[in-house]
Order: sequence, then structure tokens, then C-alpha cells
Amino acid sequence: EAGVAQSPRYKIIEKRQSVAFWCNPISGHATLYWYQQILGQGPKLLIQFQNNGVVDDSQLPKDRFSAERLKGVDSTLKIQPAKLEDSAVYLCASSLLQQETQYFGPGTRLLVL
Amino acid sequence: GENVEQHPSTLSVQEGDSAVIKCTYSDSASNYFPWYKQELGKRPQLIIDIRSNVGEKKDQRIAVTLNKTAKHFSLHITETQPEDSAVYFCAAGGGPSGGSYIPTFGRGTSLIVHP
Repeated sequence: EAGVAQSPRYKIIEKRQSVAFWCNPISGHATLYWYQQILGQGPKLLIQFQNNGVVDDSQLPKDRFSAERLKGVDSTLKIQPAKLEDSAVYLCASSLLQQETQYFGPGTRLLVL
Repeated sequence: GENVEQHPSTLSVQEGDSAVIKCTYSDSASNYFPWYKQELGKRPQLIIDIRSNVGEKKDQRIAVTLNKTAKHFSLHITETQPEDSAVYFCAAGGGPSGGSYIPTFGRGTSLIVHP
């Protein structure tokens, strides 16, 4: 089966600019996760969807980050405006159901200058 | 919310030795505990997981143990090989409803296996 797809793979922007990331989960996977992984740290959950509903977004900086999964399939994560500390790898993952194996995408490496 | 502590941050072993990585968690409601391996520049991949109704699980050279009373779980790798070198992450989450899982990850352990 095809894996989790993410684009772009790399992005360099200046602070205060906006950026959007796209994720296409494995077909049929109801649960979709967005993580932020800062160099040398574990992934930090930003938002979790179950189909097109939000399960948890308690760690999403809502003043600048937004995410949607309108049709319960693809998802986009947006940052507006970006800060230097947003430099990280943004990982998308999906699972058939919660508490099932998560499959990660290749990630988007963001550098904010 | 859940808090996961992982130790050690770096572990260096000789090929053939065993490696043990330990994690503690704070939320007694957590009931799902996966372990991931992340090679440099690559995505995390699940290597083994355990649920709270089981105390131990083994898959070839990899095993995970869970102590719910003490709220800690450990990854054991036997007969380590150079290709085991990577960063390993533990995670914890879940809740009394059984179906929910909001994962919290540890900070990672960099395992180095010397030939």
C-alpha cells in the first residue's frame, strides 16, 4: 500500500511569512496526526483528527497555527506568521484507528530565517 | 496532561551486548505504549508496542516490559547489531474510554552500537 505523503519536503521562509504543509494519509486511515519535531527532541503532537473532527489540539499555538481536514482525507497545516522558533520538521502520521500503528510521512523540514 | 521521561539520552554499547531504554509516565489512565526507531534523516517507524493489559511482549531480539503500578516501561534489545544504531522514542497515551489515544513522546535515546 502507498505510504503517507507529505509536501513540500523542504521549505525556507523568512519570519513573519506564511507557509502551508500538505498531508495525504494512507487510504482508509481515519486518524491523522500532525507533529512538530525540533532537532534533538521527540515529536510533539500539534493536532489529531478522527475523520474530519478534531480529537485534540491542546498543544497547537492557535494564534499562528491552523489545520484542517475538510473531507476526512487530506489535511493541511498552516503557520501565519512564522517565527524563528517554528524551525523544525513537521511530521504527519495516520492510523487506521486510535491506538493502532501510526505510519509517519517523510516530513517537511522548515527553516525560518 | 501526560508527561513522559526517557532515559538514558545516549547509550553506547558493543555489538552483541544488550541495550535497555527506560520510560516513565505520569497519567495512570494511559494504556497504549509504542516504541519507535528513527534513523538519521528518516521518519519514525514503530518497532513494538504494548497495551496495559499485558506485562511483556517480545518480537525476536526486541522486547518491551510494562509495570503499571510503577508507571514505567522499558525497551530491551538483545544481541545488538550496528544497524540497530538510531534514536529510539517511547510514547504513552490512551484513556479509560479505551478507544482514545493522544500520544506524548519521550525525548529520545540515541543508541550507538560499536562493531
